[in-house]
Amino acid sequence: KAGVTQTPRYLIKTRGQQVTLSCSPISGHRSVSWYQQTPGQGLQFLFEYFSETQRNKGNFPGRFSGRQFSNSRSEMNVSTLELGDSALYLCASSLVSPPTTQYFGPGTRLTVL
Amino acid sequence: GQQLNQSPQSMFIQEGEDVSMNCTSSSIFNTWLWYKQDPGEGPVLLIALYKAGELTSNGRLTAQFGITRKDSFLNISASIPSDVGIYFCAGQETSGSRLTFGEGTQLTVNP
Repeated sequence: KAGVTQTPRYLIKTRGQQVTLSCSPISGHRSVSWYQQTPGQGLQFLFEYFSETQRNKGNFPGRFSGRQFSNSRSEMNVSTLELGDSALYLCASSLVSPPTTQYFGPGTRLTVL
Repeated sequence: GQQLNQSPQSMFIQEGEDVSMNCTSSSIFNTWLWYKQDPGEGPVLLIALYKAGELTSNGRLTAQFGITRKDSFLNISASIPSDVGIYFCAGQETSGSRLTFGEGTQLTVNP
């Protein structure tokens, strides 16, 4: 069974731009959670989607948004990028919601210049 | 919000030695997970624990869900160079919401 896939793996943007990241969960998994990982803050929860609905949200500004499609694939969007948004963005899939055992993708490394 | 304290922050050991790391929480958890992350990659699930007192092994790795439900430890026996990486604990509260992660333990194994 294929694992969680994320595209793109690397991204370079400039301040003020917006970016969309994609995540395909493990086949059969319906819950997708997104995390931001930085050296200073560690792994921080962004939001979780299940059956195309946002089930939980972390403490991030409204510039961070997401959605989930009927095939469980998920996208997250960051608008008006700031330098501090540079991070590894990870998505994790789980069979159910609330998510129990979560499996992570390889991440998207976003660099904001 | 809840806090997860993971220790030690880093460890430098010789190949063949055993390693132990632990996490403590200010809240009661109903799930403990242990992950390993290599540079530039996503965390890989090592062991999942779902019951207080549960002791689970995965090869040379052994993890336990503390009786108080506020702590967990991970042991690695007979370490090898490929054990190098960052190990994270993660816990989920009884309300079944998001995962909270520890700060990570950076493991270095000298051949």
